[in-house]
Amino acid sequence: DVVLTQSPATLSVTPGERISLSCRASESVDTYLHWYQQKPNESPRLLIKYASQSISGIPSRFSGSGSGTDFTLSINGVELEDLSIYYCQQGNSLPDTFGAGTKLELK
Amino acid sequence: EIQLQESGPGLVKPSQSLSLTCSVTGYTITSGYDWSWIRKFPGNKMEWMGYISYSGSTNYNPSLKSRISITRDTSKNQFFLQLNSVTTEDTATYYCASRGYYSGSFDYWGQGVMVTVSS
Repeated sequence: DVVLTQSPATLSVTPGERISLSCRASESVDTYLHWYQQKPNESPRLLIKYASQSISGIPSRFSGSGSGTDFTLSINGVELEDLSIYYCQQGNSLPDTFGAGTKLELK
Repeated sequence: EIQLQESGPGLVKPSQSLSLTCSVTGYTITSGYDWSWIRKFPGNKMEWMGYISYSGSTNYNPSLKSRISITRDTSKNQFFLQLNSVTTEDTATYYCASRGYYSGSFDYWGQGVMVTVSS
């Protein structure tokens, strides 16, 4: 199975700052790497697919980059509503796998 | 817009079977997507359990292969999860979701149902 390692596990943020979250795969997943946001008591929401493809309805401050084994989710100007858990997931090879998540909290 | 909704019991006894239903509206499950089950354990770990494709073929996580079955009722636009011989380690929130055939991304999700395995 492809192991996805997310870092950091927790990130303390100040509204307005630019942040980057990392997802590293144990083997190449090409660009079949997707990012999700999960707020408390809600289901996950797809933010970015194919590593960098934006999703309709998602604010433009969210962007993704990377290919192969190293990927980054960036938030340009964090807002309070972004305090959530962020997961990466690979769909390159079954079984699909998820990272352990990065939790954004208020500094 | 595609909408999914899970339903089923919130409490299951150890050694029994867990059965959940996912009802889909806004899209016909035979038209596309792989219709998936995903669970989130206490502590936030997420696990893909398996899917039934739009054509009716299935794929399961090998970690569950001997215990899991995913079926569908196309007349009701529903698909189902059965997980046998549950233990307390199967306590989780269970989600159904639509998985893109090419991307492997989970584009639409249900609201989730929490299932506790306890005697």
